[in-house]
Amino acid sequence: DAKTTQPNSMESNEEEPVHLPCNHSTISGTDYIHWYRQLPSQGPEYVIHGLTSNVNNRMASLAIAEDRKSSTLILHRATLRDAAVYYCILPGRGSTLGRLYFGRGTQLTVWP
Amino acid sequence: DTAVSQTPKYLVTQMGNDKSIKCEQNLGHDTMYWYKQDSKKFLKIMFSYNNKELIINETVPNRFSPKSPDKAHLNLHINSLELGDSAVYFCASSQNTPGADNSPLHFGNGTRLTVT
Repeated sequence: DAKTTQPNSMESNEEEPVHLPCNHSTISGTDYIHWYRQLPSQGPEYVIHGLTSNVNNRMASLAIAEDRKSSTLILHRATLRDAAVYYCILPGRGSTLGRLYFGRGTQLTVWP
Repeated sequence: DTAVSQTPKYLVTQMGNDKSIKCEQNLGHDTMYWYKQDSKKFLKIMFSYNNKELIINETVPNRFSPKSPDKAHLNLHINSLELGDSAVYFCASSQNTPGADNSPLHFGNGTRLTVT
């Protein structure tokens, strides 16, 4: 199964944009890139997913590199509530088709 | 009107006991899951059910037995609890089965199980 690599931690100031990177060099042509986040003491929360084109929703934007070997989750204006662990995930393949395996993620700290 | 709800929120028990965690979703989803998050914060899939049928069993010890009385409920029963079972257990649901499409998972807020 394809793996992802994310920085362990990142920091941002409130109201500044945040760019959370993810490398997935072994991605296949049909793998969607999924992002979830987990706020303290809560369950993971879906953020966004995409295949090739950049994607936007009310929570964030997902910028996908042309070769699809990396992507960036963009929070346009960080708030204190955005402090969370952000997970970049590629679903499983073959016998584990579609399953979401969560890695360590990136711990985002937002400073007031 | 919580989408995925789990009970109890906290569960403290002694080794050797049997306990259950309940999960309900009101999203009309067909698929439900149990995930385990250990002390190192790794989140691992345990089971998945689609329309009351088991579709994923990630080599979890058979002391763990999921039960789905209907597609809106997925309970987790654990026999002979061990210290290593201490973790946060998350229930989740999705519209379709993994791999069918990329429908997002909706998670509950977890049950913190402490085995002493």
